[in-house]
Amino acid sequence: EAQVTQNPRYLITVTGKKLTVTCSQNMNHEYMSWYRQDPGLGLRQIYYSMNVEVTDKGDVPEGYKVSRKEKRNFPLILESPSPNQTSLYFCASSREFGQERTGELFFGEGSRLTVL
Amino acid sequence: AQSVTQPDIHITVSEGASLELRCNYSYGATPYLFWYVQSPGQGLQLLLKYFSGDTLVQGIKGFEAEFKRSQSSFNLRKPSVHWSDAAEYFCAVGAPRGGGYNKLIFGAGTRLAVHP
Repeated sequence: EAQVTQNPRYLITVTGKKLTVTCSQNMNHEYMSWYRQDPGLGLRQIYYSMNVEVTDKGDVPEGYKVSRKEKRNFPLILESPSPNQTSLYFCASSREFGQERTGELFFGEGSRLTVL
Repeated sequence: AQSVTQPDIHITVSEGASLELRCNYSYGATPYLFWYVQSPGQGLQLLLKYFSGDTLVQGIKGFEAEFKRSQSSFNLRKPSVHWSDAAEYFCAVGAPRGGGYNKLIFGAGTRLAVHP
């Protein structure tokens, strides 16, 4: 089954304790992206990757890191989480994102993170 | 800068009634437009998309949307709502970069409740 898998789905942590949210897709998609969803703000892009070893900042990258060492995986790293990073996080992937006839994003089920 | 406005935060309709969710975008050229649905505890699923051509597009689950360039709108419609349509709906615009685009800009979402 084609899917984007995120882990963990739920996490409560404390300020400053490094954490990683993993994301894996089995569709051989080149493009992957992380969004955060906050009430009243919709989804905002954190980072994206057009291909292996190619990453770039989105609209709200502060406090986050990513890496893309393999095509299927795109982990989101919070080196020193703070309460303002409490949010619902979504990983998404797409085949050849940016081409006119594609562009559908496939989303994971989300990871709800609470930073105390 | 591109932006998406969904004027209605919450909408309640009766089962069997018609539905229209509003979406206005701000973008200088021909936009790529999308509607996604998010059911409780789930990721986002693509309902439909507009890239070019016929301005009335059909999607899954009986939804349709009409692109109106003169009004900068891409409203989502359904002639008869089912209780299972209760969810949050997001309008999004593709932000082009070069020949394609590298992210979606989302509206804040409209939460739909369906009364029996």
